[in-house]
Amino acid sequence: GQSLEQPSEVTAVEGAIVQINCTYQTSGFYGLSWYQQHDGGAPTFLSYNALDGLEETGRFSSFLSRSDSYGYLLLQELQMKDSASYFCASSWRQAGTALIFGKGTTLSVSS
Amino acid sequence: DVKVTQSSRYLVKRTGEKVFLECVQDMDHENMFWYRQDPGLGLRLIYFSYDVKMKEKGDIPEGYSVSREKKERFSLILESASTNQTSMYLCASSLGGQRHTEAFFGQGTRLTVV
Repeated sequence: GQSLEQPSEVTAVEGAIVQINCTYQTSGFYGLSWYQQHDGGAPTFLSYNALDGLEETGRFSSFLSRSDSYGYLLLQELQMKDSASYFCASSWRQAGTALIFGKGTTLSVSS
Repeated sequence: DVKVTQSSRYLVKRTGEKVFLECVQDMDHENMFWYRQDPGLGLRLIYFSYDVKMKEKGDIPEGYSVSREKKERFSLILESASTNQTSMYLCASSLGGQRHTEAFFGQGTRLTVV
């Protein structure tokens, strides 16, 4: 089966750095994605890791270790607008590529 | 600008009704997905389709069926709506093939079954 575990809530202050971890158990694992969802909005894509290592996109970075079945999303220089839910998702190969999501981490950024 | 459009933003239906949720994408994507989102449970995959007339069950297909007669349209059907199907339903699409591509989501349909 497929399952992804991530913390339910994280709090931080503006300007800080926060790391959201994700561990996964998926058969046919293909890669790890991260999505952001603001209240009332649709999830939007942030990053994807197919190989081990760090991918950097502006203030956001994502890391994957396939040997540890572990990844994380790193958010730097936090801003109030980063308050949202963050989901890790596993690409799963079965007659097409499905996307399985973790339960999400709610990030609250305060001033 | 890429777009995934869901037919209704809010929907109220009665128990036992047959409910159709429609999703259309204009990106010529092969993959289309239906998820439901409930507080604390994240996005759970109901069904996905990787080609016209092709479908695969996700994690929670019970009580649902799908239809994909055209590449751009993916319908979710609740055969006999029940109150435990009250939820936010999200449709998404992505390019097919073995390489990963990002999924694009619609704005969601909040369904209430009374």
